[in-house]
Amino acid sequence: EAQVTQNPRYLITVTGKKLTVTCSQNMNHEYMSWYRQDPGLGLRQIYYSMNVEVTDKGDVPEGYKVSRKEKRNFPLILESPSPNQTSLYFCASSPRTSGANVLTFGAGSRLTVL
Amino acid sequence: GQNIDQPTEMTATEGAIVQINCTYQTSGFNGLFWYQQHAGEAPTFLSYNVLDGLEEKGRFSSFLSRSKGYSYLLLKELQMKDSASYLCAVRADSNYQLIWGAGTKLIIKP
Repeated sequence: EAQVTQNPRYLITVTGKKLTVTCSQNMNHEYMSWYRQDPGLGLRQIYYSMNVEVTDKGDVPEGYKVSRKEKRNFPLILESPSPNQTSLYFCASSPRTSGANVLTFGAGSRLTVL
Repeated sequence: GQNIDQPTEMTATEGAIVQINCTYQTSGFNGLFWYQQHAGEAPTFLSYNVLDGLEEKGRFSSFLSRSKGYSYLLLKELQMKDSASYLCAVRADSNYQLIWGAGTKLIIKP
């Protein structure tokens, strides 16, 4: 089944404890992206990647890191989490073709930083 | 700046028709998307418009007017399972970046 898989789905952590949210897709998509979603604010892009070894900042990159060493994986790293990073996180991917590049989203990772 | 506006919340009755509007002001335009998101779940693709006019897909239709910076999503024969948030997103240029609206929460009542 074509899908984007995120882990963990739920996580409660404490301020300053480094964590990684993994994202993997099995559709051979070139484009991958991380979003956070907060009530009333909609989806805000954190980082995106157009292909292997190519990453760029989105609208809210502060406090986050990413890497794209393989086409299928795009982990999100919080080096020193803070309470304002408590949010629902989505990874998404799409092919790089013309026309409607439809995003396929992972199921989401709900992160709470105490 | 770039901006997308949608109503925050709408209420409709099962079996009825509802229209969810989206207006945008962006530096360019290269397509408009509608996604559906049930509470606590991932967004899923509904429709894509790049030319003016109406695109129909079963009970759902999406309309675009590029000159007015306006789109709407029309849902017919509403069902309880249509209770969800509907997200409007615009691709402003030729890359893959989307500008997202905050979403419209649709509540369906029996």
